[in-house]
Amino acid sequence: GENVEQHPSTLSVQEGDSAVIKCTYSDSASNYFPWYKQELGKRPQLIIDIRSNVGEKKDQRIAVTLNKTAKHFSLHITETQPEDSAVYFCAASNNTDKLIFGTGTRLQVFP
Amino acid sequence: NAGVTQTPKFQVLKTGQSMTLQCAQDMNHEYMSWYRQDPGMGLRLIHYSVGAGITDQGEVPNGYNVSRSTTEDFPLRLLSAAPSQTSVYFCASSLLGGNQPQHFGDGTRLSIL
Repeated sequence: GENVEQHPSTLSVQEGDSAVIKCTYSDSASNYFPWYKQELGKRPQLIIDIRSNVGEKKDQRIAVTLNKTAKHFSLHITETQPEDSAVYFCAASNNTDKLIFGTGTRLQVFP
Repeated sequence: NAGVTQTPKFQVLKTGQSMTLQCAQDMNHEYMSWYRQDPGMGLRLIHYSVGAGITDQGEVPNGYNVSRSTTEDFPLRLLSAAPSQTSVYFCASSLLGGNQPQHFGDGTRLSIL
């Protein structure tokens, strides 16, 4: 089955700096890669997703890149702000059933 | 639209007790799933359903049962609670499958003593 590894587990950055979180997946048939943000005590919420026919996708300060050959994808947050502090999860799915998550990255943005 | 509604929000059980975690969605989504969230282990898939009458196992199904008699509801049953099942449980739904944006409920925090 699919296995998703996520690094780092914690990440601290200064406000205004960039943050990068990386994930690798095992199933070469995976074709959908979402990223979720979870604030303390809240539900996970989708922030961006990418499908395997696209190499990069941007939404304002957030971007996701996908390398199908290497089976890894990354989340890039530019100009970080204190409100970006949260736990971020990557995930992968190869069809209409299972969506498998990584173990999460706790991002702290210091003013 | 209420979205995905989970009840209860908190529950404390004794070892060996049974209970049902409720999940309902009003978005006419075909796909529903249950995850458990433990520190350092992310979100692990317990069971999922691609439509009424169809359920399947996820990554960590042991000790849990599910059923999907209607499109709206997807209850999760713990038959004999164990301390290892202490966790936060999230229900999620999407229009058609795991390869689409998931809408999560607010979670149920479950403690097994």
